[in-house]
Amino acid sequence: DVKVTQSSRYLVKRTGEKVFLECVQDMDHENMFWYRQDPGLGLRLIYFSYDVKMKEKGDIPEGYSVSREKKERFSLILESASTNQTSMYLCASSFDPAGTGVMLRLFFGSGTQLSVL
Amino acid sequence: DAKTTQPPSMDCAEGRAANLPCNHSTISGNEYVYWYRQIHSQGPQYIIHGLKNNETNEMASLIITEDRKSSTLILPHATLRDTAVYYCIVRVRSNTGKLIFGQGTTLQVKP
Repeated sequence: DVKVTQSSRYLVKRTGEKVFLECVQDMDHENMFWYRQDPGLGLRLIYFSYDVKMKEKGDIPEGYSVSREKKERFSLILESASTNQTSMYLCASSFDPAGTGVMLRLFFGSGTQLSVL
Repeated sequence: DAKTTQPPSMDCAEGRAANLPCNHSTISGNEYVYWYRQIHSQGPQYIIHGLKNNETNEMASLIITEDRKSSTLILPHATLRDTAVYYCIVRVRSNTGKLIFGQGTTLQVKP
């Protein structure tokens, strides 16, 4: 089974802190994604990466950055955490078995519930 | 991507089939229908997807109408563990992760 592991289940940080959320997948997937989930707003895409050192902005990239130095690891960085970044953060990965650039399905981690005080 | 409409909630008796409808009347010819579910406090889980033919896997069946304007996800023998929020998503197959999850249907399976 594909495993997408997020480093923390719950995290509490203070306003202004730099926060790192880590995600590791064990199936050699090319594509990795960061979403946030808020009540009433559903899942929103923050950033995604389709290769090492490559990244693309999603719908809500402001206040976030990402790093993908190795294929299996995708990090989400909150440069200066704010209270409106309190949310559930979900990492996902997907693969392209035929090399056609077609994403078949996403595999999600269990999420990190971040509270910024 | 086409918009989807799902009922906000449904109940199902344990052991019975759960039929979850989804309306996607603006779907275009190259858009696929995907179903995911999210059990409380977990990340979403892929269930099934299809283009125009009915599909079945170990988790569920997907029935797509001939005009492709609606579909139904069928869980043949619902268990308490199937209680979750079910999301119907319509999108073009691509290598981006821009899935728009919407509000979904909360399925409550009752003993």
